Amino acid sequence: DAGVTQSPTHLIKTRGQHVTLRCSPISGHKSVSWYQQVLGQGPQFIFQYYEKEERGRGNFPDRFSARQFPNYSSELNVNALLLGDSALYLCASSGWSYNSPLHFGNGTRLTVT
Amino acid sequence: GIQVEQSPPDLILQEGANSTLRCNFSDSVNNLQWFHQNPWGQLINLFYIPSGTKQNGRLSATTVATERYSLLYISSSQTTDSGVYFCAAPTTQGGSEKLVFGKGTKLTVNP
Repeated sequence: DAGVTQSPTHLIKTRGQHVTLRCSPISGHKSVSWYQQVLGQGPQFIFQYYEKEERGRGNFPDRFSARQFPNYSSELNVNALLLGDSALYLCASSGWSYNSPLHFGNGTRLTVT
Repeated sequence: GIQVEQSPPDLILQEGANSTLRCNFSDSVNNLQWFHQNPWGQLINLFYIPSGTKQNGRLSATTVATERYSLLYISSSQTTDSGVYFCAAPTTQGGSEKLVFGKGTKLTVNP
């Protein structure tokens, strides 16, 4: 089975632009989470979606939004990009259980100039 | 919310050496995950270990939930073990569960 897939792998944007990142979970996984990892830090939780509904949101501004589609894939959108949004964006999927391990994709490396 | 602390922050080894990485967490948890992030950014599951000990080849992990810590052992280290090791503990927030990561231990294994 394929793992979590993310696209694109790398992206360069300028300040003020908008970006859309995509994620396909492991087959059978219904929960998708997004994490942001800035250089030198551990990943920080942004969103969790399950069955197309937002189940949790981290401490990120409203410029960050996401959605989940009927096939459980997900998009993360960031508006009005700032230099500080430069980071590795990781998508993870899991079965719906508080005891299910997360499986991460390879990430999208976003650079904002 | 839960705090996760890892030590040491940096570790340099010669190939073949053994090492122990530590993860302390501030609250009771019902599971604990260890990850390895390679130089290309891939975050790879190593262990999902709520309690007890698990082994996978040269790596093993022990979680003592009652004392709120977990240890990752790497034996006979290889250069491919280099990277950053993260532990992460779950916390619930409303109807969701998120992982809270430590800052990681950066391991460098020299040939």
